[in-house]
Order: sequence, then C-alpha cells, then structure tokens
Amino acid sequence: AQTVTQSQPEMSVQEAETVTLSCTYDTSESDYYLFWYKQPPSRQMILVIRQEAYKQQNATENRFSVNFQKAAKSFSLKISDSQLGDAAMYFCAYRGSRLTFGEGTQLTVNP
Amino acid sequence: GAVVSQHPSWVICKSGTSVKIECRSLDFQATTMFWYRQFPKQSLMLMATSNEGSKATYEQGVEKDKFLINHASLTLSTLTVTSAHPEDSSFYICSAEGRGLPPQTEQFFGPGTRLTVL
Repeated sequence: AQTVTQSQPEMSVQEAETVTLSCTYDTSESDYYLFWYKQPPSRQMILVIRQEAYKQQNATENRFSVNFQKAAKSFSLKISDSQLGDAAMYFCAYRGSRLTFGEGTQLTVNP
Repeated sequence: GAVVSQHPSWVICKSGTSVKIECRSLDFQATTMFWYRQFPKQSLMLMATSNEGSKATYEQGVEKDKFLINHASLTLSTLTVTSAHPEDSSFYICSAEGRGLPPQTEQFFGPGTRLTVL
C-alpha cells in the first residue's frame, strides 16, 4: 500500500520569506502523480501544484515550486515570497491506483 | 471549468435520522466520484469510490449499510448517512474525476458538507 508522510505538523514563516514543506512517500508503482493541495479555513481543497513521476523537471507555479527526488521518494514544496493568504493546511498527495493524502502541515504566515 | 458542488454545505440532524448529501459535477461528466471524511485537524480519509451505474466500492472499515452511495448519473452522486449518530458528525468531502479532462488523474473537490448529529 502507498503511504505519504508529512513530518511537519506545523510550520511558520514570516511574510515575504521562503518556506519549505516536506513530504515523503512509499510506493512500488512506477507510474504515478504527486500533488500538493491547500486547504484554507473554508476547507475547500485547492490544487497548488502537480508533478508527473516520469518528468524529471520540477514543477513550478508562480511562487510555488517542488523539489522532486524520485529515487529518494521525496516531494517537498517551496513557497517563495510568502503571503498572508498562504496560511492554510497543506496536504501532500500521491496518485497511483488511488489518491492517498499525507497527514498535513499547518502553515502560519506571520506579518 | 471542472467545478464540483455539494449540497447542503451544513446540516444539523437529530440522532437516528438519515441525511442525504449531494455531489454534482457542474461542467463535466464525472466518470468516478469519491467520498472522503475529515475530522478536525486531520487528513482526508477515503470512504468509498463510485462509478456511474455501478455499486460503490467501500474502504475497509466503512459500513456500507450506514453510508449509502448512489451514483445515478455522470453528474450526480449522493451519500446518505442512515440512522445518524453523534459519532458520524464530521466534514464530508466529495471529489470527481472526469473523462477527457487533462490530466485524467486529477480529482476536483467539492466544498464539503459539515454534518452535526445531535
């Protein structure tokens, strides 16, 4: 079975600074996708960024980028120039035969 | 595009009653819909997967008779919590995958339904 581990239950960052959220996963599948979702207080799940496992190039979406290390089964999210609106719960997710979520990291952005 | 709605957004019911939650894909055909349950400050736990016209596949530990899922069309799935009890109080989220939506493995999430059982 696939597992996703987020080892940081809580993180905080100063506004305009950079923060990195960690995620590791375990799988025996060769073809899969990885996602980072944001869940603000409204609890609407919002897709932040996706990465196809077959692509070596790290995905980037504006201020959000990932460091995908396939051999190490690591998929961290970097948020640059953090904004107050980035405060939320962030979930790392693995999609192979099914979608599996990590436990989440609560990000606080301090003004 | 790829919008999923849920109704109601919040429901309070008495113990022993049944509650139905609707999940609709508004601008695409959902080949598969998923139901998740989320407790405060916890992750999403998959309850069941449903395909249009087929019986839902439930995750281990989820009571099929308590959580009835119907996927009657390519745009609608319903979750009925039967004989609800206070321990069923939770946040229920549906998601959908659509045929032909790139990438096909992305799930689109509804806004969730908060269920409180008194």
